[in-house]
Amino acid sequence: GQNIDQPTEMTATEGAIVQINCTYQTSGFNGLFWYQQHAGEAPTFLSYNVLDGLEEKGRFSSFLSRSKGYSYLLLKELQMKDSASYLCAAMDSNYQLIWGAGTKLIIKP
Amino acid sequence: DTAVSQTPKYLVTQMGNDKSIKCEQNLGHDTMYWYKQDSKKFLKIMFSYNNKELIINETVPNRFSPKSPDKAHLNLHINSLELGDSAVYFCASSQDLAGGLLGQFFGPGTRLTVL
Repeated sequence: GQNIDQPTEMTATEGAIVQINCTYQTSGFNGLFWYQQHAGEAPTFLSYNVLDGLEEKGRFSSFLSRSKGYSYLLLKELQMKDSASYLCAAMDSNYQLIWGAGTKLIIKP
Repeated sequence: DTAVSQTPKYLVTQMGNDKSIKCEQNLGHDTMYWYKQDSKKFLKIMFSYNNKELIINETVPNRFSPKSPDKAHLNLHINSLELGDSAVYFCASSQDLAGGLLGQFFGPGTRLTVL
C-alpha cells in the first residue's frame, strides 16, 4: 500500500532549528511536497523536491533521498509564527498526492 | 484578488438535507480537487478534475457528486447529509496534474456541521 509517516508533534524553541522527517512509500514517484497549515486555515505550499538533494528557500529547506524514501523539512531561525502543522505529501505514478497526517510544530519562547 | 474561493465558509444543516459547496479559481489552472479534512486533521482526496474531466474518484459515498461546468469551477453537491459528513472541505487547484513547481493552491475551506 501507499503511506506517509511523519511525527505527530514536535516542540522547538524560538530562534532554534528544527528538522521534520517524513518517510514515504508510493507506487511510482513524481515528487515530494511540503505544505504548512496554520490552525483554522488552508494548507499553503512550501516546497517541492523531485531530485535527490537539498532545496533551500530562505529560512526553509527541504531534502529528498529517493533511494531511502525519505525527506525532511528544515526550519531555521524559528519564529513564533512558524507554529503550525507541516504536511508531507508524495505524488505517485498516477499524479495522485498521498498525504501524511501532518506534524504539529509548537514553538516556545 | 482571491486565487481559489469557496462558498459558503460555514455551513450548518440538519441530517438528511442536501447542500452544495461552490469553488472557483482564477489562476487559469487545468486541475481542480476536493479534499475532506476531518477532526484529526487528516487530508483526504475526494475528487480530482483535469480540464473538466474526472480523474480521481476516491471511495466516497455516491451521495457526493462533483460538477465541473468549466475549468475554473468545481462544485460539490452532497445528498442526504449524515453526521459523519461533518468536516472541513477544501477545494484546490494546480497548474496541471503534476502540480507544477508551485504545488496546489487551496481555497479557505468550508466548515460543514451536520446536526
